[in-house]
Amino acid sequence: AQSVTQLGSHVSVSEGALVLLRCNYSSSVPPYLFWYVQYPNQGLQLLLKYTSAATLVKGINGFEAEFKKSETSFHLTKPSAHMSDAAEYFCAVSGGGSYIPTFGRGTSLIVHP
Amino acid sequence: SQTIHQWPATLVQPVGSPLSLECTVEGTSNPNLYWYRQAAGRGLQLLFYSVGIGQISSEVPQNLSASRPQDRQFILSSKKLLLSDSGFYLCAWRGQGMTYEQYFGPGTRLTVT
Repeated sequence: AQSVTQLGSHVSVSEGALVLLRCNYSSSVPPYLFWYVQYPNQGLQLLLKYTSAATLVKGINGFEAEFKKSETSFHLTKPSAHMSDAAEYFCAVSGGGSYIPTFGRGTSLIVHP
Repeated sequence: SQTIHQWPATLVQPVGSPLSLECTVEGTSNPNLYWYRQAAGRGLQLLFYSVGIGQISSEVPQNLSASRPQDRQFILSSKKLLLSDSGFYLCAWRGQGMTYEQYFGPGTRLTVT
């Protein structure tokens, strides 16, 4: 069984500040982990993925995430927030032959000027 | 490159009317296909998935159904819509032989009145 917990349904930052979106997972098999971004009235777009290679994963738009097995975490970060980063972010886990991912409930990122 | 299309983009339907949403994928063969629903302020709910033509798995019992008449076509239907069917419907695909990530379409906003 797999599960994902995204801490904080809303995260508010100022433009230029560090972005940190938290994701903790539970999985009985080696996990594949993903972050997706969703802009209003659009589909989800893959930001980055962890597939058991490097633990620090770089994605699009300057985002990166670090897989920490001991903490069962896969937090998403970006050094400097832009107004265009305002969106909903979803963490997801898959693996063990199951091609149906489990998604977190999402975190809404709000960026203030 | 692969592309996924959904139509219509928006739809307003009265309670009790039928529904047909279509999803098509280009640039890949034999994809796994998925239908999700997002209710307002909530996360993703998997409705159906398909690993091949005519093969449909249902995750949530309800008044919706899905069909896959062609390799790259996935249709979501209902004979009689309920108010609770309102939401944002997303189609996604996963390629054979790839890792576990999914790629999403632009979505259909359905409002049942």
